[in-house]
Amino acid sequence: AQSVTQLGSHVSVSEGALVLLRCNYSSSVPPYLFWYVQYPNQGLQLLLKYTSAATLVKGINGFEAEFKKSETSFHLTKPSAHMSDAAEYFCAVSEGSGDKLTFGTGTRLAVRP
Amino acid sequence: DAGITQSPRHKVTETGTPVTLRCHQTENHRYMYWYRQDPGHGLRLIHYSYGVKDTDKGEVSDGYSVSRSKTEDFLLTLESATSSQTSVYFCAISVEGNTEAFFGQGTRLTVV
Repeated sequence: AQSVTQLGSHVSVSEGALVLLRCNYSSSVPPYLFWYVQYPNQGLQLLLKYTSAATLVKGINGFEAEFKKSETSFHLTKPSAHMSDAAEYFCAVSEGSGDKLTFGTGTRLAVRP
Repeated sequence: DAGITQSPRHKVTETGTPVTLRCHQTENHRYMYWYRQDPGHGLRLIHYSYGVKDTDKGEVSDGYSVSRSKTEDFLLTLESATSSQTSVYFCAISVEGNTEAFFGQGTRLTVV
C-alpha cells in the first residue's frame, strides 16, 4: 500500500523568503510523485511530477522538487515566495499510468507581506 | 483544460435523501475517479473506473455507489445522505499513457 505524509498542515513565510513544503512517501514499487496546488474554491492544478527521469523536477510558477529515494522524500521548494503562492498544496503518489493517486493531508501556505 | 464538468456545483440536501453527482468529460478517457476532500484528511478516493461498467471501490466507499454506462459520464450516488457526507467532491480523469490526474472544479455538498 502506498501513503504520503506531509509535515506541517500550515506554513507561513514572508514574501521573498524560501518556501519549503515537506512530503515523505511510502510505496512498495518505484513511485510516481506529484505536487498539486489548490487555490480557494477551485480544483487541483498539477504543479509538477516525478516519473523516474531526472530526480530534480521543475514545475510551474518557479516551484521545483527533488526526489530522494534514500530519504523517501519529495519536498517542494521555491526560492522566493510571492503573495500569489498562498494556497493549499498536496503531495500525491501513484504506482503508474492510470493508477489512482493517494494524497497527503495538505499544507496550507500563507505568505506575509 | 481536460474538459471535465461536474454538476451540480453546489447542493444542499436533507439527511436520508438520495443524491447523484455527475462528472462529464469531453475526451473519452478511460480512467475516472471520485474523491472527497475534508479538512485534515486531504483527498480520499471513493470509487474509480477503468472503463464502461468497470468500477471499483476506493478507501472511503461506504455509503456511496457509482455507475459508468458511457465513457464520458461517471455518476456518484449517495443512496441515503448523512451529515458525515457533507464534503467537497472532486472528479478526476487520467489520460492513457500519462501518470497525472486532472481534476474538475468540485461539488460542494451539504447534508442538513
